[in-house]
Amino acid sequence: GAGVSQSPRYKVAKRGQDVALRCDPISGHVSLFWYQQALGQGPEFLTYFQNEAQLDKSGLPSDRFFAERPEGSVSTLKIQRTQQEDSAVYLCASSVQGLSYEQYFGPGTRLTVT
Amino acid sequence: KNQVEQSPQSLIILEGKNCTLQCNYTVSPFSNLRWYKQDTGRGPVSLTIMTFSENTKSNGRYTATLDADTKQSSLHITASQLSDSASYICVVSGYALNFGKGTSLLVTP
Repeated sequence: GAGVSQSPRYKVAKRGQDVALRCDPISGHVSLFWYQQALGQGPEFLTYFQNEAQLDKSGLPSDRFFAERPEGSVSTLKIQRTQQEDSAVYLCASSVQGLSYEQYFGPGTRLTVT
Repeated sequence: KNQVEQSPQSLIILEGKNCTLQCNYTVSPFSNLRWYKQDTGRGPVSLTIMTFSENTKSNGRYTATLDADTKQSSLHITASQLSDSASYICVVSGYALNFGKGTSLLVTP
């Protein structure tokens, strides 16, 4: 497809389970971003990749959160031992290169931890 | 601390009316300011992007203004339509992207 895609669109996990969220960026986009958006809030930055290199992971809330982009295209955000406070929409965005260029967002994955 | 404050938090207007949303920021250094529209259940979609030297930029019925001296921006929506109902997010780029919490706009018939 032409845009950023994310899967699954919805995920329900029991507290303590591990989850993996996938992002397929726009083909050829060098930069990839992950955001967490709580209900009624704006997105909060989690982490940023330039190709396969994770340049900034300062927004990851705890060491239970881990992101990778091993081949510089598809990225996976993994959350271990999920907690209720992890419930949010996780947005992925990609850009041609870096922060100065337009970011195109995917539809998000809504994670609900019960 | 880099902050982006948006007001009002929510707004209800009648179809056909105009409205203005505000964004104040304290991000430094400043690279650019963007306004996004986010429909419920969707990712944000860019409306405008402005750099330091740009005072105004339009995209159809949407007009954004930027005053880099006072660090304020506004998004003006003209002749609102029902489809304008969404959250509008101000994002200021410095060393990182700084997101506002958004203004939730509801346009009613």
